[in-house]
Amino acid sequence: EPEVTQTPSHQVTQMGQEVILRCVPISNHLYFYWYRQILGQKVEFLVSFYNNEISEKSEIFDDQFSVERPDGSNFTLKIRSTKLEDSAMYFCASKRAIGTEAFFGQGTRLTVV
Amino acid sequence: GDSVTQMEGPVTLSEEAFLTINCTYTATGYPSLFWYVQYPGEGLQLLLKATKADDKGSNKGFEATYRKETTSFHLEKGSVQVSDSAVYFCALPPAGGTSYGKLTFGQGTILTVHP
Repeated sequence: EPEVTQTPSHQVTQMGQEVILRCVPISNHLYFYWYRQILGQKVEFLVSFYNNEISEKSEIFDDQFSVERPDGSNFTLKIRSTKLEDSAMYFCASKRAIGTEAFFGQGTRLTVV
Repeated sequence: GDSVTQMEGPVTLSEEAFLTINCTYTATGYPSLFWYVQYPGEGLQLLLKATKADDKGSNKGFEATYRKETTSFHLEKGSVQVSDSAVYFCALPPAGGTSYGKLTFGQGTILTVHP
């Protein structure tokens, strides 16, 4: 069964460092998303991506964040200069079309120290 | 804006106990409603959904009924198993408009079932 794959499962980084979280969506999906969940809080929408551009982003997704689909298979989230408050579980999701089910990866736990 | 509120957790039950996880929402219009589940070490999976008022979604023995009058979508199971131990998330997509299908989630409820 096709699945969304995220790597790494856990990343520890020092404050101020850049991190790249990687996702491989399901191959025939067209809509891609990043969400995050700070420990004990809600899962929050960060950004959606369609047709090689950002289609929607939340107020959390500021200039420190960027997304890219560099090679038609990977979908990455970059945080340029990490802050302690960026520590969270980050989920990638994809869907084939609007109105269809979103499939999620298992998440990457980012710890900023 | 849209919001989802889930009951505070964690919830700890014995096997075969009855489960209710409360979920209420605030939204414009009449969105579909979802329950997602995350088993240990896995991604979020769609557990069940309801697309309109009074619809009942069901899967794996879990049920939830879309109650427009109380803006609720409570998750229930009559007899839980150890294998149901997971984190459960209530979620809603936008009811319409130009959003590209993002989901609004509740904070999740951790369920632990003991033998």
